Amino acid sequence: DTGVSQNPRHKITKRGQNVTFRCDPISEHNRLYWYRQTLGQGPEFLTYFQNEAQLEKSRLLSDRFSAERPKGSFSTLEIQRTEQGDSAMYLCASSLGPGSHGYTFGSGTRLTVV
Amino acid sequence: AQSVAQPEDQVNVAEGNPLTVKCTYSVSGNPYLFWYVQYPNRGLQFLLKYITGDNLVKGSYGFEAEFNKSQTSFHLKKPSALVSDSALYFCAVRDIRGNTPLVFGKGTRLSVIA
Repeated sequence: DTGVSQNPRHKITKRGQNVTFRCDPISEHNRLYWYRQTLGQGPEFLTYFQNEAQLEKSRLLSDRFSAERPKGSFSTLEIQRTEQGDSAMYLCASSLGPGSHGYTFGSGTRLTVV
Repeated sequence: AQSVAQPEDQVNVAEGNPLTVKCTYSVSGNPYLFWYVQYPNRGLQFLLKYITGDNLVKGSYGFEAEFNKSQTSFHLKKPSALVSDSALYFCAVRDIRGNTPLVFGKGTRLSVIA
């Protein structure tokens, strides 16, 4: 297992378009997390899954954002009608259980909305 | 609510000198504490964690951190800085009770000058 994989690494899109990102966690990890990181800030929590169940969503996750983890393995994060304020690095992480020993992060997807 | 404060946006240190990156936290109960490092255009890499036990924890690349419950601090330290240590460092916390996700500080940029 090579760790947490995120695709694409970079995405440039026009305002108003929809985008989808994918995250493949470490295979034995049952929890998967999405964070957003803007310039000069730390990662901000968006949502997390335990297996296929989405257990918590941040207020940052507006109705334009949706995340799925249909089979409890990979996850997708979709942003509809993108806005320039959505430009950020989107980070995925996974853990075995609640992450008492920390999370393993992917390299992130950098979204630029023009 | 959980929170982390990293009071310094930037820390500059000469190569070979000791370094300290400060972190204070707030949780309702007892904390799990973590330090992560981020290199440009990359995800976060785990450095070390405090779960329980000894207040001084040792991690990767010669880093260590001291948990101080009375001061609610978890400062990151290294006896002798290397130029290759230059990166963005994040402190994170979660309450040991419940399933709350990690909360990150805004980060401290460490610059080690040769």
